[in-house]
Amino acid sequence: QKEVEQNSGPLSVPEGAIASLNCTYSDRGSQSFFWYRQYSGKSPELIMSIYSNGDKEDGRFTAQLNKASQYVSLLIRDSQPSDSATYLCAVKRGSQGNLIFGKGTKLSVKP
Amino acid sequence: DAGVIQSPRHEVTEMGQEVTLRCKPISGHDYLFWYRQTMMRGLELLIYFNNNVPIDDSGMPEDRFSAKMPNASFSTLKIQPSEPRDSAVYFCASSLGLPTDTQYFGPGTRLTVL
Repeated sequence: QKEVEQNSGPLSVPEGAIASLNCTYSDRGSQSFFWYRQYSGKSPELIMSIYSNGDKEDGRFTAQLNKASQYVSLLIRDSQPSDSATYLCAVKRGSQGNLIFGKGTKLSVKP
Repeated sequence: DAGVIQSPRHEVTEMGQEVTLRCKPISGHDYLFWYRQTMMRGLELLIYFNNNVPIDDSGMPEDRFSAKMPNASFSTLKIQPSEPRDSAVYFCASSLGLPTDTQYFGPGTRLTVL
């Protein structure tokens, strides 16, 4: 089992819809969870971080964490064509300093 | 405020040549990370430093790869000799560490080995 798993997509949604991106992780000792967005040919940029169970909202983005199920998700409301990118889930394990990244889900928002 | 700086942005070289990639982290950040990204393998951690000391180099593919951090504001990743399978985008990232652990990425170096 891979440490951080994401559906590679592509996930295609119409403009204005809700995009739902999912991620599962294998290490129960994981403490910190991140969603990065990466446009084609660019570097990853942080969208959201979440550290405790429940929902965290920031504008059109909502991160959801369920440690019991080892599951973290990202919801994008009112999706825009500019949201079209690859979304990377990253997890920090225990006391280690590094992040483990999933391979990413490619999102396409159609006008 | 300057972000993570990497150079060169693009590098084309021939198999067997030495390649040196450079990174300047965000001032004040204690952690520095080197990643490699390919379509097949995604974003892979190669090595990371804390306060200039290498902490985990288990991701370094083989002895052809080496990384140094002589001071808090500079790091290098060297490949000698380079091979076509090393072709990838190499990212450097830095972080303050706790409590947020957020990593900030540089623009990357696209390496092509012919």
